[in-house]
Amino acid sequence: NAGVTQTPKFQVLKTGQSMTLQCAQDMNHEYMSWYRQDPGMGLRLIHYSVGAGITDQGEVPNGYNVSRSTTEDFPLRLLSAAPSQTSVYFCASKGDSGSYNEQFFGPGTRLTVL
Amino acid sequence: TQLLEQSPQFLSIQEGENLTVYCNSSSVFSSLQWYRQEPGEGPVLLVTVVTGGEVKKLKRLTFQFGDARKDSSLHITAAQPGDTGLYLCAGASEGGGSQGNLIFGKGTKLSVKP
Repeated sequence: NAGVTQTPKFQVLKTGQSMTLQCAQDMNHEYMSWYRQDPGMGLRLIHYSVGAGITDQGEVPNGYNVSRSTTEDFPLRLLSAAPSQTSVYFCASKGDSGSYNEQFFGPGTRLTVL
Repeated sequence: TQLLEQSPQFLSIQEGENLTVYCNSSSVFSSLQWYRQEPGEGPVLLVTVVTGGEVKKLKRLTFQFGDARKDSSLHITAAQPGDTGLYLCAGASEGGGSQGNLIFGKGTKLSVKP
């Protein structure tokens, strides 16, 4: 049982390049989410999904796309990277849409956009 | 927009000292969670408080949810170097809105020196 896995661990992009951050969980969780963490800003929600085929925007969705074709996977796409997207990205999952359930976080992807 | 104000932002203390971290909001939350994050890793859940006035203890850590469910505190007794890390509070919207998405405070970076 690996929990929540993220790849890559580190990534450097040039402005305008595109890439996909991968996230997978093996806990059969319906709810998955993506956060970005910047110094002094805490964790901010980018996009979330309450099940396969269902996604919605969080607090800071601009510049990011998501899809959820399976329960296990929730990739985050940057179509045209900008320096403002330099951050640490965390994927998380939880058991259902109830508000009391623990969120399990992946180890993060540290992204630098030059 | 719901906000969680966390204080202090930084805390550096000697081993054996006591400390309290505060998490405050003008909004009511259905539940509040505390996470601990170590460098290079994702946050890990410490506790969830649900009922106004609730107090939970986890070894030397005491968590309290305010009577009005707008604030919370984390008290550490006799801090140890192993307590060093980033402590994050996170609130879930009242009424289960947005599928129970969490709103995070900006975090308290704790350093406990031997």
